[in-house]
Order: sequence, then C-alpha cells, then structure tokens
Amino acid sequence: SQQGEEDPQALSIQEGENATMNCSYKTSINNLQWYRQNSGRGLVHLILIRSNEREKHSGRLRVTLDTSKKSSSLLITASRAADTASYFCATDSNDYKLSFGAGTTVTVRA
Amino acid sequence: EPEVTQTPSHQVTQMGQEVILRCVPISNHLYFYWYRQILGQKVEFLVSFYNNEISEKSEIFDDQFSVERPDGSNFTLKIRSTKLEDSAMYFCASREGGVSTEAFFGQGTRLTVV
Repeated sequence: SQQGEEDPQALSIQEGENATMNCSYKTSINNLQWYRQNSGRGLVHLILIRSNEREKHSGRLRVTLDTSKKSSSLLITASRAADTASYFCATDSNDYKLSFGAGTTVTVRA
Repeated sequence: EPEVTQTPSHQVTQMGQEVILRCVPISNHLYFYWYRQILGQKVEFLVSFYNNEISEKSEIFDDQFSVERPDGSNFTLKIRSTKLEDSAMYFCASREGGVSTEAFFGQGTRLTVV
C-alpha cells in the first residue's frame, strides 16, 4: 500500500530561495528515497537515506529522517528554474518494493 | 552511465487489444519492477520480479497483466484486453540488490487506450 505522503502538495518559490517539503509514512522502513520527476518524464533518483541515518547531503539537497516521527524532509537550497519538477518520497520496507507518495510540485519562478 | 530503457515511448491502442511494453534493465541488476502513473496521480506499484519469478504484485496486477523476462535482458509487461482505465504512464525500474540500493527508472511508456 502507498504510505509516503508529501506535504505541501504544491510549492511556488522565487529563484534563489530554499524549498522544503516533507514526507510522512506509516510503517517501519529500511530506507527512504527521494525522486524528481520533470513533467511527463521518468523518475530520477536524488538521494537515499537509511533508517539508521538522520541527515544526508548531496550538493544542494539536504534530507533528514526522523524514524520516531516517521517523517522525512527534503530541502533544496538556492533553488534554480531547473529545479521546477515534482518531488516524491518513496519508502523501502522489507518487501523490496518502493511505495511512493503523491508528490510535491515545486515551481521556481525566475 | 548505465540506464533503464523502455520502448515504445508512446503506445496508442484500441480498447480490447493486447499490448506489450518492453524494458531493458541495467545489466547487473537483480530486481525488476513495473509501476504505473495515471495522469496527475500517484506512482503505483504493479509488480516486482526476482530470480525469474514474481516476488510481489499489487491488487492492480490482476489476470489481465503478466510479466516475462524472455531472454535474460528484456523485461516485458503484457496487458491483455486493454481498458480505457489502463491509460497511464508505465515505468520500469531495476535495482542491483534488495533494500538499501537505489532503484533506477526508465523514461516510461505512455499508454493511451482509445
């Protein structure tokens, strides 16, 4: 069943600002992954954070994971127009499949 | 960089027809998946495949659907007797190992049933 839920559903920011989106889930996980999807395109893997990790960085991306609250956040710093996309969290449990949330649509205005 | 490739990129089919969506996963990967995304909606899990058999399938993956890895490189999804509500983007994914490995997705096949 789908268990990752992103918040907010949509986000509009000015170029150069930071974008933060959150993901909540219901059951225990092995790891949580964030993906980006440009309109009508495939899913691009951004970052994976394991259940025993609390924070991870990759370039302008920062992901946190709080397993006690069953939540994760994705921060994009110094946003650019090219960051305009939908962002999905996906939980990875013992069944080896990823369960995706509904996504956050981010629009970066020039 | 290795990538998952899917063909065709767009398929239009008449209701009731059978379609086969094709995927070439990354060569050393062991786990394969099909997901679908109806326009504007969530990415939904359909089926996972490991060691030449289905390891898990969702409620969506009923008798209308089947998967096959016919030749050790291709991974196909067959939809028999398509319905209008099968119209969606279908994504193939593969991963090298089990948990704690990233999944690589193809660009998708947009299926339109008319």
